[in-house]
Amino acid sequence: GDSVTQMEGPVTLSEEAFLTINCTYTATGYPSLFWYVQYPGEGLQLLLKATKADDKGSNKGFEATYRKETTSFHLEKGSVQVSDSAVYFCALSERGGSNYKLTFGKGTLLTVNP
Amino acid sequence: DADVTQTPRNRITKTGKRIMLECSQTKGHDRMYWYRQDPGLGLQLIYYSFDVKDINKGEISDGYSVSRQAQAKFSLSLESAIPNQTALYFCATSEPTGGPNTGELFFGEGSRLTVL
Repeated sequence: GDSVTQMEGPVTLSEEAFLTINCTYTATGYPSLFWYVQYPGEGLQLLLKATKADDKGSNKGFEATYRKETTSFHLEKGSVQVSDSAVYFCALSERGGSNYKLTFGKGTLLTVNP
Repeated sequence: DADVTQTPRNRITKTGKRIMLECSQTKGHDRMYWYRQDPGLGLQLIYYSFDVKDINKGEISDGYSVSRQAQAKFSLSLESAIPNQTALYFCATSEPTGGPNTGELFFGEGSRLTVL
């Protein structure tokens, strides 16, 4: 079945450091890929997405490129801020029949210190 | 106001009690979901519904039941709560297949349940 593996946290960085959170996936077809972010005390919200190979999703300074050859969708940001502290989830959505199913990774807690 | 609203946001209850978590949405989506979040385990799908007459079990449906009262309302019930159901519960919605946001979920803010 489909699965998503993302790097285990927690990840602790200083402000302005470079961030990478690795995500790899297993899927039988051609999934769409997502990064969701969960700020403290809140629900998940979509950070960025990519729907086909070589697409780059970007938002709020974060980027991720859909790499079909390595089945990866790593999240990167060049300079993190304290406000980026949150839990980040990688997810894939694959079509099964006429409907889509979303599969999540286990989440990576990021803490950014001033 | 939030597009996906969950009530209650926090609840403490005792073992054996019946609990209902409610979800309502103003996004006009047909598809609704209930997820459970435990630390280090990500999100696990409990039940999902693609329209009012369609209810499906997810990965971890044992001990839970749902009711889709209307397009905009989807409730999760724990008939007899137990301590290992202590978790953060999320409701989510999605568009039908083929829309511009196909596959994307829109989440509520969560309901934290503690079973003593």
